[in-house]
Amino acid sequence: EVQLVESGGGLVKPGSSLKLSCVASGFTFSSYGMHWIRQAPKKGLEWIALIYYDSSNKYYADSVKGRFTISRDNSKNTLYLEMNSLRSEDTAMYYCAKGVNFDYWGQGVMVTVSS
Amino acid sequence: DVVLTQTPPTLSATIGQSVSISCRSSQSLLHSNGNTYLNWLLQRPGQPPQLLIYLVSRLESGVPNRFSGSGSGTDFTLKISGVEAEDLGVYYCVQSTHAPMYTFGAGTKLELK
Repeated sequence: EVQLVESGGGLVKPGSSLKLSCVASGFTFSSYGMHWIRQAPKKGLEWIALIYYDSSNKYYADSVKGRFTISRDNSKNTLYLEMNSLRSEDTAMYYCAKGVNFDYWGQGVMVTVSS
Repeated sequence: DVVLTQTPPTLSATIGQSVSISCRSSQSLLHSNGNTYLNWLLQRPGQPPQLLIYLVSRLESGVPNRFSGSGSGTDFTLKISGVEAEDLGVYYCVQSTHAPMYTFGAGTKLELK
């Protein structure tokens, strides 16, 4: 059974940093590109980052480019999102998702940026 | 940037009713490789999204066959033939044709009439 489990969220002040993790199981993690997608409260889905299966390429939405970094450790079946210079508008549920079709999603982790 | 416009924003239905949701793209979603990377997701209340349909019309494993997808180019439709209570939630279309810039539609909320 495919499972994606996010962790690392919380309440932080504007300008702070936070690192999210997504542990994968039930599939060959090292064979798939992985995404981070976020959802602000009561809002729709926003794609924010993609990393290729071998970390050879990384892409970001303009809204997070230069502040967020996606990475992965295939030996640990883990995807990361390092978030710096956090703003109130980054407040959202953050999901990791698998593959080009977004065929599996984690349960999400909440990040709240507030003073 | 590709914009996906979903209509209607809200859909009220009775159990057993058939409904359709439209997803219109600002650019063609036909990839140079011949595939059209347009998927449909359902987000039930309090849950993460789940994949229903990929490549316009292919049903994800385990998804009931009352769900069907159709369309080409810039116009796509998700149809539910006989709504059931478990189908309530928000439906999103998402495109991967223009990767690495992925786009989600704004969502269509399906609620009980």
